[in-house]
Amino acid sequence: QKEVEQNSGPLSVPEGAIASLNCTYSDRGSQSFFWYRQYSGKSPELIMSIYSNGDKEDGRFTAQLNKASQYVSLLIRDSQPSDSATYLCAVPRDRGSTLGRLYFGRGTQLTVWP
Amino acid sequence: DGGITQSPKYLFRKEGQNVTLSCEQNLNHDAMYWYRQDPGQGLRLIYYSQIVNDFQKGDIAEGYSVSREKKESFPLTVTSAQKNPTAFYLCASSIDITGGGDEQFFGPGTRLTVL
Repeated sequence: QKEVEQNSGPLSVPEGAIASLNCTYSDRGSQSFFWYRQYSGKSPELIMSIYSNGDKEDGRFTAQLNKASQYVSLLIRDSQPSDSATYLCAVPRDRGSTLGRLYFGRGTQLTVWP
Repeated sequence: DGGITQSPKYLFRKEGQNVTLSCEQNLNHDAMYWYRQDPGQGLRLIYYSQIVNDFQKGDIAEGYSVSREKKESFPLTVTSAQKNPTAFYLCASSIDITGGGDEQFFGPGTRLTVL
């Protein structure tokens, strides 16, 4: 099993809908989780960090973490065409150490059509 | 204005040449990383550095070399030994890792093409 797996997509939703992106991870001890957004031809941009079970909201974005089930999701409410991008999930590789490396998922491509 | 800069944005290399990609950060971050991204692929770690004058190989270090002589700078050299270097190269940094700062922040990237 890969350390981080994402629904491969592509995911296509109409403008105004809720987009749901999912990520599962293999290390039960993972403590922090990150969502990055990557526009085509650009570098990844950190949009959400979550450390505790439950929901974390930031504007139209909500990250949901369920450590018992080992998944983290990202919900985008009122999706806009400008949200069209690839979303990458990441978890730390080196739990308990100071190396600071991340495992990245392959990403889910989201298209929001007007 | 704090951030990470990479240069050049586009780079063309002839077969057999070594090329060096620049990465500079003014975020006062301790750790820096180099990744490679191929179309439709995830990010693969090439090298990383936790402190000045120290660096470690990542998952795909063969054909690459790095140096970390200054906290702000982490250049990557793609040598002629790298057989398939055409890719999008991303530099990232993270804050004091001993404090648990796992979030990484990326530069704009360098797109390398072998002619």
